[in-house]
Amino acid sequence: AQTVTQSQPEMSVQEAETVTLSCTYDTSESDYYLFWYKQPPSRQMILVIRQEAYKQQNATENRFSVNFQKAAKSFSLKISDSQLGDAAMYFCAYRVPSGSARQLTFGSGTQLTVLP
Amino acid sequence: KAGVTQTPRYLIKTRGQQVTLSCSPISGHRSVSWYQQTPGQGLQFLFEYFSETQRNKGNFPGRFSGRQFSNSRSEMNVSTLELGDSALYLCASSLRLGVTEAFFGQGTRLTVV
Repeated sequence: AQTVTQSQPEMSVQEAETVTLSCTYDTSESDYYLFWYKQPPSRQMILVIRQEAYKQQNATENRFSVNFQKAAKSFSLKISDSQLGDAAMYFCAYRVPSGSARQLTFGSGTQLTVLP
Repeated sequence: KAGVTQTPRYLIKTRGQQVTLSCSPISGHRSVSWYQQTPGQGLQFLFEYFSETQRNKGNFPGRFSGRQFSNSRSEMNVSTLELGDSALYLCASSLRLGVTEAFFGQGTRLTVV
């Protein structure tokens, strides 16, 4: 079974600084996708960034980028120039595109605090 | 384009009762999945629907059921509520099966007393 592990329950960063959230996963699949979702106090899960396993290039979305290490099964999220609005719970997630295990599998989350 | 809409936002029920939650996906999206979020268990997959058929089911008891209508709207039902069913229930929609990006609603907060 696929598992996703986030070993940092809480992180904090100073406004305008950079922070990296860690995620590791375990899978025997070769075709899969990885995601970072953000859940602010409003509770809505917001897709931050996604990475296809077959792509070697790390995904980037504005101030958000990932470091995808396929062999190490590691998928970290870097947030640059942190803003107060980045404060939220961040979830790493995994899914395969087909088959009976197609659902999103989530890590336990990292609560990010942004200090002014 | 409207996002995923879940109703109601909050619900308080008594142990033993049943409850129905509703989810309207993004227009044009035909796949709907449900997840349960609790502090202890985190986010767990309940089921996935596409074209009015359940395509995938998580490891939950039969008290949890769902359905999808021809307009892709989905409902989930929990019968004989237990205290442990208190959770945030999140609905996610995707264009179709196999499309990896899922977009979530704001959830329904269910409290069982």
